Amino acid sequence: GAVVSQHPSRVICKSGTSVKIECRSLDFQATTMFWYRQFPKKSLMLMATSNEGSKATYEQGVEKDKFLINHASLTLSTLTVTSAHPEDSSFYICSPLLRETQYFGPGTRLLVL
Amino acid sequence: GESVGLHLPTLSVQEGDNSIINCAYSNSASDYFIWYKQESGKGPQFIIDIRSNMDKRQGQRVTVLLNKTVKHLSLQIAATQPGDSAVYFCAEKGTNAGKSTFGDGTTLTVKP
Repeated sequence: GAVVSQHPSRVICKSGTSVKIECRSLDFQATTMFWYRQFPKKSLMLMATSNEGSKATYEQGVEKDKFLINHASLTLSTLTVTSAHPEDSSFYICSPLLRETQYFGPGTRLLVL
Repeated sequence: GESVGLHLPTLSVQEGDNSIINCAYSNSASDYFIWYKQESGKGPQFIIDIRSNMDKRQGQRVTVLLNKTVKHLSLQIAATQPGDSAVYFCAEKGTNAGKSTFGDGTTLTVKP
């Protein structure tokens, strides 16, 4: 149980375009979703926390207008990187919360050229 | 602010040996810790957790030790196997909002 999927697994885009990353909890419902980003050989850095049906709470230094999070249902959350630039290239990982336990998606590798 | 950190960024062991990965934390109020394993290109995978009312917890081939006096925890892997090669993170899980704060990670390499 507690399977999490992310789509796409990797994406390459041109600078200035927007990219949407989907995160789905396949066999459970999650009221709370965490989004992390990870640079090569670095730790996971929490970007934001979202609760289904309400606005996301962003960590300090994370631009909410650049990283749009939508948590419209208990099984789907999306992260949209708007007007992506090379410095946004990273590994993005979603983490739904189920009864105080965090589960992690397989991650999405974003490369912005 | 709170921080969670690991002592060594890399650890190389021979297959069959035991591995010990260390982690220090700064928040004395932290009461729940988790060890994660992350293989290349994948998300973190839960290994074992421990609450502050315990000082030791054992799983299958893994043991976590918690020393609250010096705010230190360790992950011990017995009879390390090539499949154990990965990055290991300790995390402190806050009681507020349930999110995990990750340490820097130790890359474990198992030599055959």
